[in-house]
Amino acid sequence: KNEVEQSPQNLTAQEGEFITINCSYSVGISALHWLQQHPGGGIVSLFMLSSGKKKHGRLIATINIQEKHSSLHITASHPRDSAVYICAVRPLSSGSARQLTFGSGTQLTVLP
Amino acid sequence: EPEVTQTPSHQVTQMGQEVILRCVPISNHLYFYWYRQILGQKVEFLVSFYNNEISEKSEIFDDQFSVERPDGSNFTLKIRSTKLEDSAMYFCASSQQGGNTEAFFGQGTRLTVV
Repeated sequence: KNEVEQSPQNLTAQEGEFITINCSYSVGISALHWLQQHPGGGIVSLFMLSSGKKKHGRLIATINIQEKHSSLHITASHPRDSAVYICAVRPLSSGSARQLTFGSGTQLTVLP
Repeated sequence: EPEVTQTPSHQVTQMGQEVILRCVPISNHLYFYWYRQILGQKVEFLVSFYNNEISEKSEIFDDQFSVERPDGSNFTLKIRSTKLEDSAMYFCASSQQGGNTEAFFGQGTRLTVV
C-alpha cells in the first residue's frame, strides 16, 4: 500500500521566513505533484516533478527518487502563501490513467 | 488560461436523493478524474475516465456512483442515492495525457447531504 507522509502537519511562520515542507512516500512513482489548497477548498497545481528540481517564482520543489523524498521550499514567505500544501504521487503500479495518491497536507500560516 | 470548471460550487441534498456534479474539463484534455475530500481528511481518488470509458476506479466508487461524458464537453459524476457519508468536496481534474502530465483541478463542488 502506498503511503504519502507529509511533515510538518501545521506550520506557522513570520513573513519573510524561509519555509520547507517535506513529503516521503513508500513506493516507486512516475511523478510527484505539489498542490496548493486555499481556504475555499480549490486546488491549484504548483509543480509536477519526476527528478531534480523545479523553481517558479519564490517556490522551489526538489525530489530525490532514491530516497523517496521531496521538499517544497518557499523563500521570502508572505501572508498570501497561507494555504494547505499537498503532496501527491503517481505510483508506478497504477493503471494507464495513473491516478494520484495524496498526503494529508501541511497547513501553512504566514503571519504579517 | 484554460481551466477546469465545476458546477455547482455548493450542493445541499436530502439523503436518498440523486445528485449530478458537473465538470467541464480543459478542451484538449483526454483524461478525466474525480476525487473527493471528506472534511478534515485526505483527497481520495474515485475514478478515471478515458476514451469514453472508466480506466480505473477505487473501492469507494461503488454501484451508487457513475460517470458520463454526455456531450463531448461535460464530464459528470452521479450519485444515485446519497448517504450522509457522501458529504465531501468533490474535485474534477483533467490531463492531456495519462502518464506524467500535469493534472489540472477544478475549484470543487461541496456536497452536503442532510
